[in-house]
Amino acid sequence: QKEVEQNSGPLSVPEGAIASLNCTYSDRGSQSFFWYRQYSGKSPELIMSIYSNGDKEDGRFTAQLNKASQYVSLLIRDSQPSDSATYLCAVFSGAAGNKLTFGGGTRVLVKP
Amino acid sequence: GAVVSQHPSRVICKSGTSVKIECRSLDFQATTMFWYRQFPKQSLMLMATSNEGSKATYEQGVEKDKFLINHASLTLSTLTVTSAHPEDSSFYICSVRDMALGNNSPLHFGNGTRLTVT
Repeated sequence: QKEVEQNSGPLSVPEGAIASLNCTYSDRGSQSFFWYRQYSGKSPELIMSIYSNGDKEDGRFTAQLNKASQYVSLLIRDSQPSDSATYLCAVFSGAAGNKLTFGGGTRVLVKP
Repeated sequence: GAVVSQHPSRVICKSGTSVKIECRSLDFQATTMFWYRQFPKQSLMLMATSNEGSKATYEQGVEKDKFLINHASLTLSTLTVTSAHPEDSSFYICSVRDMALGNNSPLHFGNGTRLTVT
């Protein structure tokens, strides 16, 4: 079992719709969870961090965390063509909790 | 503004040569920096953790004698790919974390270095 799993996609959504991305993780002791966006050929950029169960909203982005079920999700509202990218779920894990492990990423395509 | 500066952004070298990549933390002192590698259509894989003033910690399967890491100051870590071969062609990305914000603080990534070995 991979430490952090994501559906690779592509997830195709029409402009203005909601994109829903899911991520599951294996380390039950993980405490910190992040969503990064990566455009083709570029390095990842942080878009959301979440540390406690529930929802966290930041602009058009909402992260949801459920530690009991070991999943974290990201919703993108009012999707724009500029949101087309690969979204990486990342979890701090390891004995020292300082190893950031990435999922394989979900490619999102927003069609005008 | 940028938190991490990585240089060069792109390098092409011949097989058998060595390449040095620099990573600078611009906004804070970083006792720890992280080096990732990303092959096409794959996710980021942690190669090693660079520790200021001590030896780097390498992930399983990463050759420490091939990927030399030097973290000589609180703002600079270097990764040297020695005797590079075509299979080392990849996107190398460094990252830093502001530990003053606590163990939960996220990683900030440099712009990456695209290495092509011919």
